[in-house]
Amino acid sequence: NFMLTQPHSVSESPGKTVTISCTRSSGSIASNYVQWYQQRPGSAPTNVIYDDDQRPSGVPDRFSGSIDSSSNSASLTISRLRTEDEADYYCQSYDGSVVFGGGTKLTVL
Amino acid sequence: EVQLVESGGGLVKPGGSLRLSCGASGFLFSGFSMTWVRQAPGKGLEWVSSIHSTSSHISYAASVRGRFTISRDNAKHSVYLQMKSLRAEDTAVYYCAREKYNDYGDFRFDYWGQGTLVTVSS
Repeated sequence: NFMLTQPHSVSESPGKTVTISCTRSSGSIASNYVQWYQQRPGSAPTNVIYDDDQRPSGVPDRFSGSIDSSSNSASLTISRLRTEDEADYYCQSYDGSVVFGGGTKLTVL
Repeated sequence: EVQLVESGGGLVKPGGSLRLSCGASGFLFSGFSMTWVRQAPGKGLEWVSSIHSTSSHISYAASVRGRFTISRDNAKHSVYLQMKSLRAEDTAVYYCAREKYNDYGDFRFDYWGQGTLVTVSS
């Protein structure tokens, strides 16, 4: 099976843009769709991006997703950062079994 | 409104057993596969087990295979996780989540419960 590697933490100021990467260790990132989840402190995860780049209803268009085959990675980009975006973010994919990335703590300061 | 409500967590001694339940409402439960995901204190998300809508396909993470059993009762709109031979490293919040498939066989977890805490300690 493969692993998904995320940076442990990122930080950025309100109003700015941040990108969180998710690199697949083996096999093509394009082989299986990538999902992204947001988990605020003390809460359950919620899905913010599905199928690489689709936004569930209710998720602001400040959230976007993409994949890059050259780096074999997926990315979650959050623009016009708000303090409420401060949370842990997890990527997830599937190749016979479910794989989660280790999570990235986003600090908005 | 889709709701998933877990129950059954608590404190259990190493080697003990516990049965978690997840009650579903607000959607056609029998049409969806369900999954258990856990999160150890201060750690990331870990997939535990999944069950097909008809129970025809079941899968487990290597870390729990042979000790945990997932099941469901579509008439009761519930999914269960029977856990035995519990270890300290099983201590975690256990979430149930609904699988939403796309047209290509991939899926996402579109709804999650609030989680139930399992603590394995003597």
